[in-house]
Amino acid sequence: AQSVAQPEDQVNVAEGNPLTVKCTYSVSGNPYLFWYVQYPNRGLQFLLKYITGDNLVKGSYGFEAEFNKSQTSFHLKKPSALVSDSALYFCAVSGLNTGFQKLVFGTGTRLLVSP
Amino acid sequence: ETGVTQSPTHLIKTRGQQVTLRCSSQSGHNTVSWYQQALGQGPQFIFQYYREEENGRGNFPPRFSGLQFPNYSSELNVNALELDDSALYLCASTPELAGGYYEQYFGPGTRLTVT
Repeated sequence: AQSVAQPEDQVNVAEGNPLTVKCTYSVSGNPYLFWYVQYPNRGLQFLLKYITGDNLVKGSYGFEAEFNKSQTSFHLKKPSALVSDSALYFCAVSGLNTGFQKLVFGTGTRLLVSP
Repeated sequence: ETGVTQSPTHLIKTRGQQVTLRCSSQSGHNTVSWYQQALGQGPQFIFQYYREEENGRGNFPPRFSGLQFPNYSSELNVNALELDDSALYLCASTPELAGGYYEQYFGPGTRLTVT
């Protein structure tokens, strides 16, 4: 079974500092990994994904993520945080082993960027 | 904006009643998935429809059912509502079923409250 763990309920960072939101995964076969962001009263917005290739994936709004197969991790990063980055972030894994595609989400990490 | 819309935005129902939630996918997207997001949790996969047929289901009872129509709209129906059904319901669409590596485009969700 596929699963994702986000070990931190909340991450606090000052504006301008780098941020990291952690994610580890468990999956049989090739992992397809995703990051989504959710603002209050909004649906999920896609940030980036890892399918294959370069371990460093660049996405929307200056975010990037590093895929590490040996550590089964897919941490989200940004070099310089903005107050507007404050939101709920979800890591997810997808597969098509059973003939349909579903995303399995972590429990989410709330990012709070202070001015 | 993802081009995925959902209605209504909010809904209040009484235990035992039935509810229908609606979603309009992006044009050309043949796959629609529905997720339930309880308060403080990550979204949980309910089921997926591909070309108007259900092709995958998560751990949800049969009283959760759906329909997908040729015009890229879909419905989620829940019978015999229970208090635990109170959640944000999200639909998501993708262009095709292939591979599991497509990102899913989420709508803003319908907040269902069961009293």
